[in-house]
Amino acid sequence: DGGITQSPKYLFRKEGQNVTLSCEQNLNHDAMYWYRQDPGQGLRLIYYSQIVNDFQKGDIAEGYSVSREKKESFPLTVTSAQKNPTAFYLCASSTGGGSNQPQHFGDGTRLSIL
Amino acid sequence: KNEVEQSPQNLTAQEGEFITINCSYSVGISALHWLQQHPGGGIVSLFMLSSGKKKHGRLIATINIQEKHSSLHITASHPRDSAVYICAVSGGTSYDKVIFGPGTSLSVIP
Repeated sequence: DGGITQSPKYLFRKEGQNVTLSCEQNLNHDAMYWYRQDPGQGLRLIYYSQIVNDFQKGDIAEGYSVSREKKESFPLTVTSAQKNPTAFYLCASSTGGGSNQPQHFGDGTRLSIL
Repeated sequence: KNEVEQSPQNLTAQEGEFITINCSYSVGISALHWLQQHPGGGIVSLFMLSSGKKKHGRLIATINIQEKHSSLHITASHPRDSAVYICAVSGGTSYDKVIFGPGTSLSVIP
C-alpha cells in the first residue's frame, strides 16, 4: 500500500541536542511538507519542498532544517536553536500543482524534551 | 482574529445523532478541505471542495463561497467517528498557502 511513514513515533531530546525526524513516502509525490501541531492551534508549516533538491521555509522555520536529496524522503532536523520543540510533528505529501491538491499525511512524531 | 475558525471547539454526541461542524474563513480561497485526525494522531483527508456539496458515506460537506462558510455533517453518528475534524483552506498554486483551523474534537458516546 502506498503511504507516508514517519519515524520514530515518539522522540525525546536532551538540551543542546539535534534530533532528526524521518519521513518517507512511496506515493511518487513531488511535494512534501512538514507541519508542527500544538494543542488548540492549527497546523503550522515549517518547511515544504516542491521537487528534489529544493525546499522553502514555511511560517515557523527558525530552529529547523530539512533536506530533499531523494524524491521519497524529506527528513526534518530539530536543532538546539529551537527553544520550544515539544510538539507533534506531521509530514505530508501531495502531487504537484500547488496547495489545492489533497495532502496525504503520516501518523506523526511526538517530540518531547528530557 | 484567526483566518480559519471552527465551531464548536468540542462536541459530545450520543450514538445515532446528526452532527454538524462549522468552519468560517476570512480569506480568499480556491478550495476548502476537511480532514479527520484520529486519536493516535494520523490525519486523513475527507473532502476537498470548491463549491456546492459532496457526500461520502455518512459524511456530507457543503460550502457557501459567498458567505465564506462550510459545514461538515455526520449522519447516524457512531463511536468510531470520534476524532478531531480539521477545516483547512488553500489559495491555489502557491504551495505554502494552506491555512488550518484549530479543529473540532468530537466524541460520540454509545
